[in-house]
Amino acid sequence: GAVVSQHPSWVICKSGTSVKIECRSLDFQATTMFWYRQFPKQSLMLMATSNEGSKATYEQGVEKDKFLINHASLTLSTLTVTSAHPEDSSFYICSARSPVSTDTQYFGPGTRLTVL
Amino acid sequence: EDQVTQSPEALRLQEGESSSLNCSYTVSGLRGLFWYRQDPGKGPEFLFTLYSAGEEKEKERLKATLTKKESFLHITAPKPEDSATYLCAVFNQAGTALIFGKGTTLSVSS
Repeated sequence: GAVVSQHPSWVICKSGTSVKIECRSLDFQATTMFWYRQFPKQSLMLMATSNEGSKATYEQGVEKDKFLINHASLTLSTLTVTSAHPEDSSFYICSARSPVSTDTQYFGPGTRLTVL
Repeated sequence: EDQVTQSPEALRLQEGESSSLNCSYTVSGLRGLFWYRQDPGKGPEFLFTLYSAGEEKEKERLKATLTKKESFLHITAPKPEDSATYLCAVFNQAGTALIFGKGTTLSVSS
C-alpha cells in the first residue's frame, strides 16, 4: 500500500519551454502532497505543499509563477515548470502524506529534468 | 535554525561488517524523526519514524534509535543489497515541513 507514481520518469526539453510532471497516489487518497527538488549530492529541498482544492503553499525562495502546482483531485498533483532554463535541471520528487500515519510521507520515484 | 547533519558522508563496509550511521538535529520540540533509504535515481523509501528519546525500531538488518539530540541507524551484518544512501529527516519547528540531511552513502562489498 501507499504507492506514489510520477510521470514522466525523465524529460529533456529546450530552454524556454514548459514541462508538466504528474504525481499520483495509486492506492490511497492524498489530500496533501509535497514537491521536492534534489541536486546531485544534496539533500531534498521542499519546494511547495500542495493541498487538494486549494492553492499550494510555496517555500521561501521558490517562484510560484515559475513552478505552477495544481492539486485538482485526491489522487493527482501536477508541477509545471514554466519557461524552463538550464538551472532548473534537477531531480523533482513528489510525496504524499500517508493515510494511516499522517506524519509519514511516501515518495514517488522522481522525475529527472534536463533543460538544454 | 532547524538543521539536520548526517555522518559520515560515505561509508564502505565489507559484507557482514556491522556499523552505525549518525543523524544529529537541532530543532525545538521534536515532532518526529524519519529514516529513508534512497537508491540512485529513485525516490526515498520510508524506513522508520521515531518520536521520543529511547525509542527503537527494527527492520531486518536495520535498527534505528533516538536520543534527545541524535539518532543512529545501526546496520548489522550488512549485505551488498543494503548499499544505498540513507537519509534522515525531521519536522521543522512549525511542523509543516520535513528537513532532510544530505545523507550517508553506504557501499557494502562482498
